[in-house]
Amino acid sequence: NAGVTQTPKFRILKIGQSMTLQCAQDMNHNYMYWYRQDPGMGLKLIYYSVGAGITDKGEVPNGYNVSRSTTEDFPLRLELAAPSQTSVYFCATTLDRAYYEQYFGPGTRLTVT
Amino acid sequence: DAKTTQPNSMESNEEEPVHLPCNHSTISGTDYIHWYRQLPSQGPEYVIHGLTSNVNNRMASLAIAEDRKSSTLILHRATLRDAAVYYCILVPNTDKLIFGTGTRLQVFP
Repeated sequence: NAGVTQTPKFRILKIGQSMTLQCAQDMNHNYMYWYRQDPGMGLKLIYYSVGAGITDKGEVPNGYNVSRSTTEDFPLRLELAAPSQTSVYFCATTLDRAYYEQYFGPGTRLTVT
Repeated sequence: DAKTTQPNSMESNEEEPVHLPCNHSTISGTDYIHWYRQLPSQGPEYVIHGLTSNVNNRMASLAIAEDRKSSTLILHRATLRDAAVYYCILVPNTDKLIFGTGTRLQVFP
């Protein structure tokens, strides 16, 4: 089992460009999450999904979009990248609701210049 | 969302026990207390969680105060690999984790 995989590991974007961060899990979990972590800070929740076809906003959703067409995949889309989106992005999954253990991916380090 | 308060940083020597405190005075009866840690350049890693009773697992122990307004994560013998940021998080019966800034633990040889 690979657990949670994220691609790419690193990316540099120019202001105004768009990209999709990929997240996949092979644990057959319903719940998936996207977080961002700015330098020296804790994680902030961007979007989450409780199952295929269902998504909801977290604390900091502006500038991002998500979709969940399958249980396994939960891509995060950045439209019109801005320097404020420079961060490390983590995807996570859990079996059922937040009081179960969350499994995190290795992260994607994104720089917008 | 109920908040937690943790010291910004703590230090320990290798092979000594470490007690990482967390205050959560506004905890509600259905909030679970979770601990995660984040090693440098890695994603967070689950450590332990509990509701009312003390809990032990292979990584650590969690001591929960009787009134549940505070808890302590106990690493019985710190190793260099335990150097990380430790997050204490209250988890209600909802769909989200809310991370704070955590405690940075330094372990010295």
